[in-house]
Parts: sequence; structure tokens; C-alpha cells
Amino acid sequence: DADVTQTPRNRITKTGKRIMLECSQTKGHDRMYWYRQDPGLGLRLIYYSFDVKDINKGEISDGYSVSRQAQAKFSLSLESAIPNQTALYFCATSDPEASASTDTQYFGPGTRLTVL
Amino acid sequence: KNQVEQSPQSLIILEGKNCTLQCNYTVSPFSNLRWYKQDTGRGPVSLTIMTFSENTKSNGRYTATLDADTKQSSLHITASQLSDSASYICVVSGDMRFGAGTRLTVKP
Repeated sequence: DADVTQTPRNRITKTGKRIMLECSQTKGHDRMYWYRQDPGLGLRLIYYSFDVKDINKGEISDGYSVSRQAQAKFSLSLESAIPNQTALYFCATSDPEASASTDTQYFGPGTRLTVL
Repeated sequence: KNQVEQSPQSLIILEGKNCTLQCNYTVSPFSNLRWYKQDTGRGPVSLTIMTFSENTKSNGRYTATLDADTKQSSLHITASQLSDSASYICVVSGDMRFGAGTRLTVKP
């Protein structure tokens, strides 16, 4: 069974719609992240959370919001989707206690979002 | 500006051949450098991690090198296999910046 799961795996929506992407993990990690990946670009950090109720903006947080109500769950919302938010979205987790100097991230399988 | 640049953008090699992927960075301060493998339709998976004091790290047929003075890293793949076909992503921390990746295709 996958340690980091994302739902849905694919989503097509229309401009202006509100959508939510869900991430769940069974690794017991405190840290969770949301990234987007666009063709020809590296993954870019949207938001991250180091603990329940802890929320931090990443490089490209405008147009997005997140919720961390439980250690195992981190959801990403697009309040009013626009076409340039079409991308592949990844959730990741990490546990700095395992290795303070490296903090390896474990990624989910991704959600492909298309905004028409 | 903290950046990570990878080359080549894409690469095609024959099964059994070796190849080397490059990563140059300007991220500062530097904490560690990681190489990830991303199969099509899946999330990245960590291959190697190097801190400032390490200049080489191996994981099976994958060997990563780091020159912190010139801010360059390479990932060498030995005796390539069809399953090595994937994107290889360089990630540099302190600032956790991702390169755009090198798309490797291994052909029979």
C-alpha cells in the first residue's frame, strides 16, 4: 500500500470553480508539503506544514489555500480555479527526526489538474 | 537568485551504456543536494543525498558526485537498463530548489 496517497488522481474543472485536492499519509511524518510541476520547470513549493495547524507559504502560494486538521492529512484548495493553474500537483512528507541533515521527502503519485 | 540548472534537458542512450547527468546550482546557503528519479506518472523518489562534506555517494548503479566549490553535481548511471528511463531531478537545499530535470530514455 502506498504511504502517501492523493485524491483525485485526475481532475478537470472549469474556470471559477472551487476545488480541493486531498493528501493522506501513513508514514507518521509531521511535515507535509504541496508542490506543482509544470512542463520544463522544476517543482515549485506552494505551501508546507510542519505540524497540525502549522501553515507556511511557499514560493507560489497566491490563488491557493491549505488545511492541516490532522497529522495524516493535508488538503490543497483552489478557491477560484484559473487556466494557468493547470498542472501536476504533488504532495510530499518528511521526517527531520530521521535525518536532521537531509530531511528526505516522500512524494505521492500526483494529481493532474486541468482548468478549462 | 537561487537557481538549479540541469543538463542536458533530454538524453537518449542504448541499453547497457553509461551516461552522466549534470546539475549546476547557485543556491546559498547550501545544506544538501539530492537526486530524485521520477517515473512517468509518478512522484519523485530519492536516489542519493549529499551534504557539504560528501563528494560522492553511490546507490547501486547510480553514483552522484558533488563539488561544493564549483557548485556542480553529476549523476552517473552505469550499465543502463530500460527501467532507468525516467526524469532525474536535482534538488538543492537550504532553499530547497528543484531543477527542471533531465529526461532519460533508454532504448533496447
